[in-house]
Amino acid sequence: ETGVTQSPTHLIKTRGQQVTLRCSSQSGHNTVSWYQQALGQGPQFIFQYYREEENGRGNFPPRFSGLQFPNYSSELNVNALELDDSALYLCASSPGTSGSHKNIQYFGAGTRLSVL
Amino acid sequence: AQSVTQPDIHITVSEGASLELRCNYSYGATPYLFWYVQSPGQGLQLLLKYFSGDTLVQGIKGFEAEFKRSQSSFNLRKPSVHWSDAAEYFCAVGPMEYGNKLVFGAGTILRVKS
Repeated sequence: ETGVTQSPTHLIKTRGQQVTLRCSSQSGHNTVSWYQQALGQGPQFIFQYYREEENGRGNFPPRFSGLQFPNYSSELNVNALELDDSALYLCASSPGTSGSHKNIQYFGAGTRLSVL
Repeated sequence: AQSVTQPDIHITVSEGASLELRCNYSYGATPYLFWYVQSPGQGLQLLLKYFSGDTLVQGIKGFEAEFKRSQSSFNLRKPSVHWSDAAEYFCAVGPMEYGNKLVFGAGTILRVKS
């Protein structure tokens, strides 16, 4: 069984650029959540996708957007990058959105984004 | 608003000593509760979870946690720490109803001295 995989591992961008991060969910999981983890902080929820529809969003501006594909993989897009966007971006997949065990989220290793 | 507090930013324990990491939450109802561990440069690994029932839950790597509703706490414990337990530990809460956004604490960095 393949776990959650994220690409790329590391990325360096300059302010104002756009970036796309990718996530392949664990086999059998139809829900993907994205989190931003700034240095020295806990992860913060960006948004969640369930069966290709956005299913909740945290306190992030619209320049953070996402997609989920029919195979349940997902992309996180960030436009007009700012220095404060430098962080570890974590993707998590889960078997569903409600019910106890469907609430268990399994995380990938993350993409480290540096904005210069 | 939902929040999770981990009062200890850093904790140092000797190898073989016992460990307790504190977690308090603020939530409108009884949430699902989780502990995750993160090694440097890695993602988050689930240690254990509480959904309902027995308030003492067992996890991987010899960890356990106790849910105390009256104190809104979910403290993580281990009777004997190993050097490989050095990592950052995150407590998280999630809703029981539709949608499973997790709210994380700021984390506790565990150092193990030999």
